[in-house]
Amino acid sequence: QSALTQPRSVSGSPGQSVTISCTGTSSDVGGYNYVSWYQQHPGKAPKLMIFDVIERPSGVPDRFSGSKSRNTASLTISGLQVDDEADYFCCSYAGSSAWVFGGGTRLTVL
Amino acid sequence: EVQVQESGGGPVKPGGSLRLSCTASGFSFSSSTINWVRQAPGKGLEWVSSISSDGSYIYYADSVKGRFTISRDNAKNSLYLQMNSLRDEDTAIYYCANTGVVYYFDYWGQGTLVTVSS
Repeated sequence: QSALTQPRSVSGSPGQSVTISCTGTSSDVGGYNYVSWYQQHPGKAPKLMIFDVIERPSGVPDRFSGSKSRNTASLTISGLQVDDEADYFCCSYAGSSAWVFGGGTRLTVL
Repeated sequence: EVQVQESGGGPVKPGGSLRLSCTASGFSFSSSTINWVRQAPGKGLEWVSSISSDGSYIYYADSVKGRFTISRDNAKNSLYLQMNSLRDEDTAIYYCANTGVVYYFDYWGQGTLVTVSS
């Protein structure tokens, strides 16, 4: 399994919106509605932000939203806040009980 | 409150072995599929292995197949990873992460660092 493709970095100003893409194949992202997104602050464990492409866990602000089109999933963060600055990883189920993650995107809030 | 804690990491020489442990509380561990996920320094996340609730279904990433062995002890709410024939590229923080009966990782530990170096 090859890693999913994410941009290495994105940036935005407070209050703006940013979108992070995650491109896979028909064997992972395109084949299942099981894409999830994780936020990771330096030195911390990953935190689940989006699951099943569009769902938000309890406690995650509705500023975070997910979507998918064919083999590409996206995470959109609106109303950027300073605390949103972190690394973001996408993940997809890849069948046969295997998982594939993206390489991660560093979000900078300018 | 959910708590997940890994232990057992440390320095090891190439070709050596190490056994990682993970203990969990605050959720139904014995009913959950549990995974090991690793992160090399400055790199992305990589799924390593998973084990079903009763241990009957076990899966590995190709990169560790034949060298790593996952196991669990539900009586102790514990997960293990026996790592043999370690390579430089196995250097990473190893996280214990729950997928339960769903298709996402909802509970994570803080990780334990494994450093493979001569």
